[in-house]
Amino acid sequence: DGGITQSPKYLFRKEGQNVTLSCEQNLNHDAMYWYRQDPGQGLRLIYYSQIVNDFQKGDIAEGYSVSREKKESFPLTVTSAQKNPTAFYLCASSISSGLGGYTFGSGTRLTVV
Amino acid sequence: AQSVTQLDSHVSVSEGTPVLLRCNYSSSYSPSLFWYVQHPNKGLQLLLKYTSAATLVKGINGFEAEFKKSETSFHLTKPSAHMSDAAEYFCVVSERGSNDYKLSFGAGTTVTVRA
Repeated sequence: DGGITQSPKYLFRKEGQNVTLSCEQNLNHDAMYWYRQDPGQGLRLIYYSQIVNDFQKGDIAEGYSVSREKKESFPLTVTSAQKNPTAFYLCASSISSGLGGYTFGSGTRLTVV
Repeated sequence: AQSVTQLDSHVSVSEGTPVLLRCNYSSSYSPSLFWYVQHPNKGLQLLLKYTSAATLVKGINGFEAEFKKSETSFHLTKPSAHMSDAAEYFCVVSERGSNDYKLSFGAGTTVTVRA
């Protein structure tokens, strides 16, 4: 079955450490996205990529970095510069037009301890 | 610019009664509109979408939504709530920019279903 896989499901990080969240899709979608979800705030866009080797900042990119070396993969690194990283992170993908809607992964819950 | 307002942060219904989740949007152009559902600690699942075809859109699990351009609304309804409908629901608008499509998410409506 085609879909998006995010790993790990739960992640704990010490303050000052970088951590990378994995996102893999086998839907042959061109576009991929990272969102952050906090209670009562809906989803906020961190980064997105429409094609391999290209990506753009979203609304809250500070303290995050991404890469898109393969069509199937769009890892997100939460750096130590992110002041409040504890959140639920969702990866999504879509065909390039976006009109079909997005397919979401099951999320990674990151907790800074 | 586009934005989405979900008018209720929380809706509580009894099992077997109708559900209404309200969504208003603003958009500069003709938008595409979506409703997603999220169960606890899960990703978002697409319920239905409007992309300029029929204004009454039927989705999965008995949900439907009506696009009303004059009211800039896209309310989600279900005639009879089931316990499994307890979840968070997001109204989403997609609008084409110069190079891509941008999504805007509402803040979400939490639905609880009473037995």
